[in-house]
Amino acid sequence: NAGVTQTPKFRILKIGQSMTLQCTQDMNHNYMYWYRQDPGMGLKLIYYSVGAGITDKGEVPNGYNVSRSTTEDFPLRLELAAPSQTSVYFCASNPSSRNEQFFGPGTRLTVL
Amino acid sequence: QKEVEQNSGPLSVPEGAIASLNCTYSDRVSQSFFWYRQYSGKSPELIMSIYSNGDKEDGRFTAQLNKASQYVSLLIRDSQPSDSATYLCAVKLIPGTASKLTFGTGTRLQVTL
Repeated sequence: NAGVTQTPKFRILKIGQSMTLQCTQDMNHNYMYWYRQDPGMGLKLIYYSVGAGITDKGEVPNGYNVSRSTTEDFPLRLELAAPSQTSVYFCASNPSSRNEQFFGPGTRLTVL
Repeated sequence: QKEVEQNSGPLSVPEGAIASLNCTYSDRVSQSFFWYRQYSGKSPELIMSIYSNGDKEDGRFTAQLNKASQYVSLLIRDSQPSDSATYLCAVKLIPGTASKLTFGTGTRLQVTL
C-alpha cells in the first residue's frame, strides 16, 4: 500500500490564481481530512469527509473547497489564492472503526 | 484557554535520559488521545494512542493519561539523537461521527550527545 499520497510536493502561486491539491489513499478509509500547518503552529482542520459525497467544514474553511466523489480521492481547491494561504497542507485518513489518522507527505504552498 | 496546550520547548535532554513531554486539554468529555512525532519538513507520524486512564507502553515510549486532571504525557526512555523532533499532542475533543482531532502546537525535543 502506498498509504496517503499528495501532489504536488511544492507549488508557488501568484495572488488570485487557482489550484487543486490532490490527495489519494489506497487503504479504503472512509474518513479523510485536510489540515494546514503554519510555522510554529499546530495543525488546523480545513475540511473533512466521512465518505464519498459527504463533506463538512472544519476550523478554517474560508477560501477553500473540497469534493469527495470516490472513497480514494479528496481534492482541496483554492479558488483565489491569497498570501494568507501560504502554508503546508496535509491530507490524512482513518478507517471509521478507529480514530488514529495517517498523514500524507504534505504540499508546501507559497502564494506571492 | 487553548483547547490543547503544550510547552513549545525546546526540551533538551542528554542521550540516554528520559524525556517527558506534557499536554493538557480543556474538555472533560474527551476520550481519545494521540502522540505524533514530526521531523522537520516531514509529516506527522503516529507513535502512540491512549484511551484509558493509566499507562500504555510501547517499546521506549510510554503514554500516561489522567482524565481527572485533564493531562496526557509521553515518556521516552533511553532518548536517542534520532528522537529529536517535534511531538504533537492530539485529542478527540468531542465525541461524534468523525474522528476530528484537535492538535497542540507541539513540543520540540532536542536530544544532545
